[in-house]
Amino acid sequence: AQTVTQSQPEMSVQEAETVTLSCTYDTSESDYYLFWYKQPPSRQMILVIRQEAYKQQNATENRFSVNFQKAAKSFSLKISDSQLGDAAMYFCAYWGGSQGNLIFGKGTKLSVKP
Amino acid sequence: ETGVTQSPTHLIKTRGQQVTLRCSSQSGHNTVSWYQQALGQGPQFIFQYYREEENGRGNFPPRFSGLQFPNYSSELNVNALELDDSALYLCASSLFLAGGIDTQYFGPGTRLTVL
Repeated sequence: AQTVTQSQPEMSVQEAETVTLSCTYDTSESDYYLFWYKQPPSRQMILVIRQEAYKQQNATENRFSVNFQKAAKSFSLKISDSQLGDAAMYFCAYWGGSQGNLIFGKGTKLSVKP
Repeated sequence: ETGVTQSPTHLIKTRGQQVTLRCSSQSGHNTVSWYQQALGQGPQFIFQYYREEENGRGNFPPRFSGLQFPNYSSELNVNALELDDSALYLCASSLFLAGGIDTQYFGPGTRLTVL
């Protein structure tokens, strides 16, 4: 069975600085997708970034980028120029071709200090 | 383009009661997935509906059931509520593609409290 592990329950970053959130996963599938979702106190799960496993190039969305290491099964999220609005729970999620559901990690709570 | 909506926002029930939660999918999407998120945890998959049929189920008992309607909206029903059912219930919609399901977009959730 596939699993997703986020080893950092909480992280803190100074405004305008850079922070990296870690995620590892376990799978025997070769074709899959990885996601980072942000959940602010408003509770709505918001898609931050998506990575297709067959793509070697790391995905980037404005200040958000990933470091995807397929052999190591690692998928970290880098947030550059952190803003107060980035404060939230961040969830790493896996989707494989053999099932239709997302498998989530336990999340990392990110605090941004002014 | 309208996003995923859920109702109600909050709900308080007592143990043994039944509850129905509702979800309207994002326009253009044909698949709805339901997740349960306990406090301090990541969401756990309950089940998914495609073309009004259940298309996958997580490790939840049969008292969790659902429906999908022709307009792709969906309901989650929970019978014989237990205290452990207290959680945030998230609905996600997506478009079923030939190679699998596209990115899932989430609604704001329904907070269920069971007393």
